[in-house]
Amino acid sequence: SQQGEEDPQALSIQEGENATMNCSYKTSINNLQWYRQNSGRGLVHLILIRSNEREKHSGRLRVTLDTSKKSSSLLITASRAADTASYFCATDKVTGGGNKLTFGTGTQLKVEL
Amino acid sequence: GAGVSQSPSNKVTEKGKDVELRCDPISGHTALYWYRQSLGQGLEFLIYFQGNSAPDKSGLPSDRFSAERTGGSVSTLTIQRTQQEDSAVYLCASSRAVGKAYEQYFGPGTRLTVT
Repeated sequence: SQQGEEDPQALSIQEGENATMNCSYKTSINNLQWYRQNSGRGLVHLILIRSNEREKHSGRLRVTLDTSKKSSSLLITASRAADTASYFCATDKVTGGGNKLTFGTGTQLKVEL
Repeated sequence: GAGVSQSPSNKVTEKGKDVELRCDPISGHTALYWYRQSLGQGLEFLIYFQGNSAPDKSGLPSDRFSAERTGGSVSTLTIQRTQQEDSAVYLCASSRAVGKAYEQYFGPGTRLTVT
């Protein structure tokens, strides 16, 4: 398994529903970030949660972090068709990693009208 | 201000040829990163630069891959004697600092196809 694995791999929901994606990782981290990618090109940073934080909100996004379980979740509330994208978690390791992020393989979210 | 830019956006090359991919980071960002993303996969770290320090090359897959960053700004990723398995999207990112919890800003990527 890779550091930073998301599940599910794919998620299809109706507009207005909530979408929840999970991420698990293996080593201790400084922080965990979530990114969105449209059409297989550049990534857009969504939210960063530090290892001493448990929950963070940004607009319709809610991220939780459980360092004891080495897991994080991203919740998108009241989803819109424009939220259709791939979502990646990325971890920044405690030692030796600098600010080098390790990405998971992502969750492909499809929001249907 | 301008974001991270990359060129070319698409590159098709024949197996065995060398290619150069360019990245212009956001002005003032001291850290620059290169990643590779194969079809349907996550991002694979290749190399990062921070200020004048020696780059972290731990992710480069072979000695055919090299990168440089001139004047602490523009970076070039060079792949020599390209192979078909090098086909991927190559993404560049920059951030304000290393060692702190700063987000990375990504460019649109270069899609490399080796025929």
